[in-house]
Amino acid sequence: SQQGEEDPQALSIQEGENATMNCSYKTSINNLQWYRQNSGRGLVHLILIRSNEREKHSGRLRVTLDTSKKSSSLLITASRAADTASYFCAFGGSQGNLIFGKGTKLSVKP
Amino acid sequence: ETGVTQSPTHLIKTRGQQVTLRCSSQSGHNTVSWYQQALGQGPQFIFQYYREEENGRGNFPPRFSGLQFPNYSSELNVNALELDDSALYLCASSLVGTSGYEQYFGPGTRLTVT
Repeated sequence: SQQGEEDPQALSIQEGENATMNCSYKTSINNLQWYRQNSGRGLVHLILIRSNEREKHSGRLRVTLDTSKKSSSLLITASRAADTASYFCAFGGSQGNLIFGKGTKLSVKP
Repeated sequence: ETGVTQSPTHLIKTRGQQVTLRCSSQSGHNTVSWYQQALGQGPQFIFQYYREEENGRGNFPPRFSGLQFPNYSSELNVNALELDDSALYLCASSLVGTSGYEQYFGPGTRLTVT
């Protein structure tokens, strides 16, 4: 299957702690994206990292990409209750589409 | 807010019926993709339209069909509804006709088939 796989499936942390989510994939990619979804609503684009990049930052988010291991990680630093959501990695499919994993459900407790 | 809107927000239909879901793309975007998201799963690609033509299709039967209009708004039609069609349907718009770029998602339409 081309599907990406996020790990862990669920993560529960306290406010102020860091949260790390991982994504593995099986095909060659041009780039990898991370999206956030709040409680069954639409997805919000967080960050895109290209295959020739190793690390990218956006505010409290840090994404790494290791193409040799076909894996990526998303780090959220100093988490807040508002970060509670599901996080998905996605990469380009052959049909012009995005291929998503099953996501990591993050719960940040105040 | 992404500027992508979908209607209706929620919908309840009976097995065998037909449904039409609508999406209004972000201004200037010429590509729209539709995804189905079952509970607890990631979105699954249904199809994509680029300049009013179907540009790609996922593993969904022909009873899932779509249209894109000159103003780049879009419709997803599902005929002969089945219980397994119950899901969140998401549309996403973008500027170019290939993957590997940011997609802007609407809030989704929650379809329940009874």
